[in-house]
Amino acid sequence: GAGVSQSPSNKVTEKGKDVELRCDPISGHTALYWYRQSLGQGLEFLIYFQGNSAPDKSGLPSDRFSAERTGGSVSTLTIQRTQQEDSAVYLCASSRQLRAVDQPQHFGDGTRLSIL
Amino acid sequence: AQKITQTQPGMFVQEKEAVTLDCTYDTSDQSYGLFWYKQPSSGEMIFLIYQGSYDEQNATEGRYSLNFQKARKSANLVISASQLGDSAMYFCAMREGYSGAGSYQLTFGKGTKLSVIP
Repeated sequence: GAGVSQSPSNKVTEKGKDVELRCDPISGHTALYWYRQSLGQGLEFLIYFQGNSAPDKSGLPSDRFSAERTGGSVSTLTIQRTQQEDSAVYLCASSRQLRAVDQPQHFGDGTRLSIL
Repeated sequence: AQKITQTQPGMFVQEKEAVTLDCTYDTSDQSYGLFWYKQPSSGEMIFLIYQGSYDEQNATEGRYSLNFQKARKSANLVISASQLGDSAMYFCAMREGYSGAGSYQLTFGKGTKLSVIP
């Protein structure tokens, strides 16, 4: 497709379960980003990828969060042993290049995660 | 200190009128980029307009323009001839240009909710 695609669009799960969120960036975009949007915290940056590499994982909220990207394309964000505070909208974005300041990040529609 | 400040939690504008959404930023970088995004109630984050720190002209994109005042560190979004479809949350964001850790992210303000009145 032409835009960033995220799946699922909605996910409801029980506390303690693992969840996997998927992001398919715009074709040709080498940089990929994950953000989290919640009422209390606004938009928080989680992690970025240049190709398949994520050099800085310091934005991930806890060690229950992990992310990977394969083939320089699709990325998955995994949350293990989910907690209620993980409830949020998880947004994925991509841009043509990582290092260019003028490159806009184009966002997907997000995955709305609800932890019961 | 907040890097992006949007002081207007909510704004109302009459249809067909112009509206200015405020954004101030804080950075010590010389090279940076400023972005505005629109988020309708459906949730998607739509890129509207970009202004680079070295750009001498204010950015324009259709009905959107950016009033960039570098010395004041402000980058206000101006929407001309408002339409009902402009009702949404608007976020100002900054990308700083240094290459240290965390420099590739966008830092967002808390947003302004714009409501266009018929």
